[in-house]
Amino acid sequence: NAGVTQTPKFRVLKTGQSMTLLCAQDMNHEYMYWYRQDPGMGLRLIHYSVGEGTTAKGEVPDGYNVSRLKKQNFLLGLESAAPSQTSVYFCATGDRSRVYNEQFFGPGTRLTVL
Amino acid sequence: AQKVTQAQTEISVVEKEDVTLDCVYETRDTTYYLFWYKQPPSGELVFLIRRNSFDEQNEISGRYSWNFQKSTSSFNFTITASQVVDSAVYFCAQSGGNTPLVFGKGTRLSVIA
Repeated sequence: NAGVTQTPKFRVLKTGQSMTLLCAQDMNHEYMYWYRQDPGMGLRLIHYSVGEGTTAKGEVPDGYNVSRLKKQNFLLGLESAAPSQTSVYFCATGDRSRVYNEQFFGPGTRLTVL
Repeated sequence: AQKVTQAQTEISVVEKEDVTLDCVYETRDTTYYLFWYKQPPSGELVFLIRRNSFDEQNEISGRYSWNFQKSTSSFNFTITASQVVDSAVYFCAQSGGNTPLVFGKGTRLSVIA
């Protein structure tokens, strides 16, 4: 089992370019999350999904869009990248049957916007 | 609103010293869950422990121990006889159950040989 995978691992963008980050999971979890990690800020929730076809905003959603067309995939899109979006992005999944919502994290995507 | 505070930004200790990482949380939920994650220099997030609000028993796992005190809203993490491999960023987090985790800003621990 691969667990939670993220594609790509690294990416450099120019301001104004667009891109999509892919999170894929083979654990059949209902919940999926996108976080960003910045120095000294911890992990902050961007968007999340409690099931296929549903998404919700987190703490820092501006500048990002998401889609959950298939249960196993959660896409994070940047329509017009800005230097402020330079960060490490983590995807996580959670099992709805577990009330304590332990989250399983992917390896991260390091994004640099020039 | 939920909030997690890790007041220690960085800690340095000499190998074999004991070290405690502090975590203070705020919540209005009567049922909630607390977590610790480790992020080594390689960057991945490693789950360490989960506690629920009904269980204030302290837990020990090898050199790691956790002290949960509802009276002070704290969930502190102690590493006994620290080792260089313990060098990492440690995150405390909280969830109200089926809600997303709220993370503290992390404490960077450096263990010097």
